[in-house]
Amino acid sequence: GDSVTQMEGPVTLSEEAFLTINCTYTATGYPSLFWYVQYPGEGLQLLLKATKADDKGSNKGFEATYRKETTSFHLEKGSVQVSDSAVYFCAWTLYGGATNKLIFGTGTLLAVQP
Amino acid sequence: DTGVSQNPRHKITKRGQNVTFRCDPISEHNRLYWYRQTLGQGPEFLTYFQNEAQLEKSRLLSDRFSAERPKGSFSTLEIQRTEQGDSAMYLCASSLGTSGGAFYEQYFGPGTRLTVT
Repeated sequence: GDSVTQMEGPVTLSEEAFLTINCTYTATGYPSLFWYVQYPGEGLQLLLKATKADDKGSNKGFEATYRKETTSFHLEKGSVQVSDSAVYFCAWTLYGGATNKLIFGTGTLLAVQP
Repeated sequence: DTGVSQNPRHKITKRGQNVTFRCDPISEHNRLYWYRQTLGQGPEFLTYFQNEAQLEKSRLLSDRFSAERPKGSFSTLEIQRTEQGDSAMYLCASSLGTSGGAFYEQYFGPGTRLTVT
Protein backbone atom coordinates (compact mmCIF):
# COMPACT_ATOMS: atom_id res chain seq x y z
CA GLY A 1 0.00 0.00 0.00
CA ASP A 2 0.90 3.69 -0.05
CA SER A 3 3.77 4.31 2.34
CA VAL A 4 7.13 5.88 3.10
CA THR A 5 10.09 4.00 4.54
CA GLN A 6 12.75 6.03 6.30
CA MET A 7 16.08 5.24 7.80
CA GLU A 8 15.66 4.52 11.49
CA GLY A 9 17.24 6.84 13.97
CA PRO A 10 18.61 8.27 15.98
CA VAL A 11 21.42 9.46 13.78
CA THR A 12 24.21 10.98 15.83
CA LEU A 13 26.88 13.03 14.06
CA SER A 14 29.64 15.41 14.96
CA GLU A 15 29.44 18.97 13.71
CA GLU A 16 30.61 19.36 10.08
CA ALA A 17 30.00 15.68 9.29
CA PHE A 18 28.19 14.57 6.12
CA LEU A 19 24.54 13.59 6.53
CA THR A 20 22.45 11.12 4.58
CA ILE A 21 18.94 10.07 5.61
CA ASN A 22 17.46 7.44 3.33
CA CYS A 23 13.85 7.54 2.16
CA THR A 24 11.95 5.29 -0.23
CA TYR A 25 8.29 5.54 -1.10
CA THR A 26 5.45 3.43 -2.43
CA ALA A 27 2.75 5.41 -4.18
CA THR A 28 -0.07 4.82 -6.64
CA GLY A 29 0.32 7.51 -9.24
CA TYR A 30 3.03 10.11 -9.68
CA PRO A 31 3.77 11.72 -6.30
CA SER A 32 5.41 14.96 -5.31
CA LEU A 33 8.04 14.38 -2.63
CA PHE A 34 8.91 16.39 0.45
CA TRP A 35 11.15 16.59 3.47
CA TYR A 36 9.67 18.17 6.58
CA VAL A 37 11.62 19.10 9.70
CA GLN A 38 10.40 19.34 13.28
CA TYR A 39 12.66 21.28 15.64
CA PRO A 40 12.23 20.69 19.37
CA GLY A 41 9.04 22.32 20.62
CA GLU A 42 8.02 23.56 17.18
CA GLY A 43 5.58 22.54 14.47
CA LEU A 44 6.44 20.73 11.26
CA GLN A 45 8.07 22.90 8.62
CA LEU A 46 8.58 22.19 4.96
CA LEU A 47 12.31 21.86 4.31
CA LEU A 48 12.38 21.07 0.58
CA LYS A 49 10.35 19.51 -2.19
CA ALA A 50 10.58 17.98 -5.66
CA THR A 51 7.63 17.51 -7.97
CA LYS A 52 8.99 15.41 -10.83
CA ALA A 53 11.63 12.84 -11.59
CA ASP A 54 15.26 14.03 -11.44
CA ASP A 55 14.26 17.30 -9.77
CA LYS A 56 16.55 18.33 -6.93
CA GLY A 57 15.03 20.12 -3.98
CA SER A 58 17.35 22.24 -1.85
CA ASN A 59 17.16 24.53 1.14
CA LYS A 60 19.48 25.58 4.00
CA GLY A 61 22.28 23.39 2.60
CA PHE A 62 20.07 20.29 2.46
CA GLU A 63 19.43 18.55 -0.85
CA ALA A 64 17.35 15.63 -2.11
CA THR A 65 16.91 14.27 -5.65
CA TYR A 66 13.72 12.64 -6.89
CA ARG A 67 14.76 9.20 -8.21
CA LYS A 68 11.76 7.62 -9.89
CA GLU A 69 13.61 4.49 -10.98
CA THR A 70 14.54 3.62 -7.37
CA THR A 71 11.49 5.34 -5.77
CA SER A 72 13.85 7.20 -3.47
CA PHE A 73 14.34 10.73 -2.12
CA HIS A 74 17.38 10.65 0.14
CA LEU A 75 18.21 13.74 2.19
CA GLU A 76 21.82 14.95 2.25
CA LYS A 77 23.82 17.76 3.75
CA GLY A 78 27.52 18.26 3.33
CA SER A 79 28.31 19.75 6.74
CA VAL A 80 25.79 19.55 9.58
CA GLN A 81 25.55 22.03 12.42
CA VAL A 82 24.29 21.65 15.97
CA SER A 83 21.28 23.73 14.96
CA ASP A 84 20.26 21.01 12.48
CA SER A 85 19.34 18.71 15.37
CA ALA A 86 15.69 17.86 14.78
CA VAL A 87 13.37 15.14 13.53
CA TYR A 88 13.20 14.82 9.74
CA PHE A 89 10.16 13.38 7.96
CA CYS A 90 9.98 12.23 4.36
CA ALA A 91 6.53 12.57 2.80
CA TRP A 92 4.63 12.52 -0.47
CA THR A 93 1.33 13.61 -1.96
CA LEU A 94 -0.30 13.09 -5.33
CA TYR A 95 0.29 16.12 -7.48
CA GLY A 96 -3.06 17.43 -8.62
CA GLY A 97 -4.93 15.14 -6.23
CA ALA A 98 -8.23 16.18 -4.76
CA THR A 99 -7.02 16.57 -1.19
CA ASN A 100 -3.23 16.77 -1.34
CA LYS A 101 -3.08 14.84 1.93
CA LEU A 102 0.47 14.02 2.93
CA ILE A 103 1.74 10.49 3.54
CA PHE A 104 4.61 10.59 6.04
CA GLY A 105 7.41 8.29 7.06
CA THR A 106 8.12 7.56 10.71
CA GLY A 107 10.72 10.28 11.05
CA THR A 108 14.46 10.21 11.73
CA LEU A 109 15.92 11.93 14.76
CA LEU A 110 19.19 13.71 14.01
CA ALA A 111 21.42 14.71 16.91
CA VAL A 112 24.49 16.80 16.05
CA GLN A 113 27.16 17.09 18.70
CA PRO A 114 29.62 20.00 18.91
CA ASP B 1 -0.49 36.74 10.64
CA THR B 2 1.46 34.42 12.91
CA GLY B 3 0.64 31.06 11.38
CA VAL B 4 -1.59 28.16 12.36
CA SER B 5 -2.56 28.10 16.02
CA GLN B 6 -3.98 25.25 18.07
CA ASN B 7 -5.59 25.18 21.48
CA PRO B 8 -5.08 23.79 23.95
CA ARG B 9 -1.44 22.78 23.58
CA HIS B 10 -1.82 20.02 26.14
CA LYS B 11 -4.86 18.13 27.38
CA ILE B 12 -4.99 15.43 30.03
CA THR B 13 -8.30 13.64 30.39
CA LYS B 14 -9.71 10.54 31.97
CA ARG B 15 -10.86 7.63 29.86
CA GLY B 16 -14.46 8.03 28.82
CA GLN B 17 -14.47 11.82 28.84
CA ASN B 18 -15.08 13.99 25.77
CA VAL B 19 -12.47 16.45 24.53
CA THR B 20 -12.50 19.17 21.90
CA PHE B 21 -9.54 20.79 20.18
CA ARG B 22 -9.51 23.97 18.17
CA CYS B 23 -7.44 24.95 15.13
CA ASP B 24 -7.19 28.47 13.72
CA PRO B 25 -5.68 28.32 10.24
CA ILE B 26 -3.86 31.06 8.38
CA SER B 27 -6.65 33.48 7.52
CA GLU B 28 -6.69 33.27 3.72
CA HIS B 29 -6.24 29.49 3.59
CA ASN B 30 -9.28 27.60 2.36
CA ARG B 31 -7.92 24.09 2.98
CA LEU B 32 -7.59 22.61 6.45
CA TYR B 33 -6.22 19.23 7.51
CA TRP B 34 -6.12 17.23 10.72
CA TYR B 35 -3.39 14.66 11.31
CA ARG B 36 -2.58 12.45 14.28
CA GLN B 37 0.96 11.63 15.39
CA THR B 38 1.71 8.91 17.92
CA LEU B 39 5.06 8.51 19.64
CA GLY B 40 7.77 7.40 17.26
CA GLN B 41 5.53 7.62 14.21
CA GLY B 42 4.95 10.13 11.47
CA PRO B 43 1.74 12.13 11.19
CA GLU B 44 -1.25 10.22 9.80
CA PHE B 45 -4.02 11.94 7.87
CA LEU B 46 -7.39 12.13 9.63
CA THR B 47 -9.61 14.50 7.69
CA TYR B 48 -9.69 17.39 5.23
CA PHE B 49 -11.86 20.45 4.73
CA GLN B 50 -12.13 22.73 1.76
CA ASN B 51 -13.81 25.83 3.11
CA GLU B 52 -16.62 24.50 5.31
CA ALA B 53 -17.03 21.19 3.47
CA GLN B 54 -15.48 18.06 4.94
CA LEU B 55 -14.38 16.28 1.77
CA GLU B 56 -12.39 13.30 3.04
CA LYS B 57 -12.17 11.26 6.21
CA SER B 58 -9.61 8.56 6.94
CA ARG B 59 -10.62 5.11 8.14
CA LEU B 60 -8.65 6.07 11.27
CA LEU B 61 -11.46 8.48 12.14
CA SER B 62 -13.82 6.28 14.12
CA ASP B 63 -17.41 7.19 14.97
CA ARG B 64 -16.16 8.75 18.20
CA PHE B 65 -14.35 11.45 16.26
CA SER B 66 -16.07 14.39 14.66
CA ALA B 67 -14.66 17.48 13.02
CA GLU B 68 -16.29 20.69 11.93
CA ARG B 69 -15.29 23.86 10.20
CA PRO B 70 -18.19 26.27 10.47
CA LYS B 71 -18.05 29.15 8.01
CA GLY B 72 -14.78 27.86 6.63
CA SER B 73 -12.69 29.52 9.31
CA PHE B 74 -11.53 27.76 12.48
CA SER B 75 -12.02 24.04 12.94
CA THR B 76 -12.77 21.83 15.91
CA LEU B 77 -11.98 18.17 16.43
CA GLU B 78 -14.02 16.39 19.08
CA ILE B 79 -13.31 12.97 20.52
CA GLN B 80 -16.13 11.36 22.47
CA ARG B 81 -15.64 8.66 25.10
CA THR B 82 -11.87 8.89 24.92
CA GLU B 83 -9.77 5.73 25.08
CA GLN B 84 -6.13 5.33 26.05
CA GLY B 85 -5.34 4.59 22.42
CA ASP B 86 -6.40 8.12 21.54
CA SER B 87 -3.32 9.50 23.31
CA ALA B 88 -1.35 11.28 20.60
CA MET B 89 -0.37 14.64 19.19
CA TYR B 90 -3.16 16.09 17.04
CA LEU B 91 -1.83 18.34 14.29
CA CYS B 92 -3.67 20.86 12.20
CA ALA B 93 -2.41 22.21 8.89
CA SER B 94 -3.76 24.70 6.41
CA SER B 95 -3.04 25.68 2.83
CA LEU B 96 -4.31 27.55 -0.16
CA GLY B 97 -5.67 25.55 -3.07
CA THR B 98 -8.67 24.60 -5.12
CA SER B 99 -9.94 21.22 -6.27
CA GLY B 100 -7.21 19.42 -8.16
CA GLY B 101 -4.40 21.44 -9.66
CA ALA B 102 -1.10 22.39 -8.12
CA PHE B 103 0.13 21.51 -4.66
CA TYR B 104 0.17 24.31 -2.12
CA GLU B 105 2.40 24.06 0.92
CA GLN B 106 0.72 22.90 4.09
CA TYR B 107 1.58 24.99 7.14
CA PHE B 108 1.39 23.09 10.39
CA GLY B 109 0.38 24.24 13.82
CA PRO B 110 2.28 23.25 16.98
CA GLY B 111 -0.20 20.50 17.81
CA THR B 112 -2.34 19.53 20.77
CA ARG B 113 -0.90 16.73 22.88
CA LEU B 114 -3.66 14.53 24.32
CA THR B 115 -3.01 12.18 27.20
CA VAL B 116 -5.82 9.83 28.21
CA THR B 117 -5.35 8.31 31.67
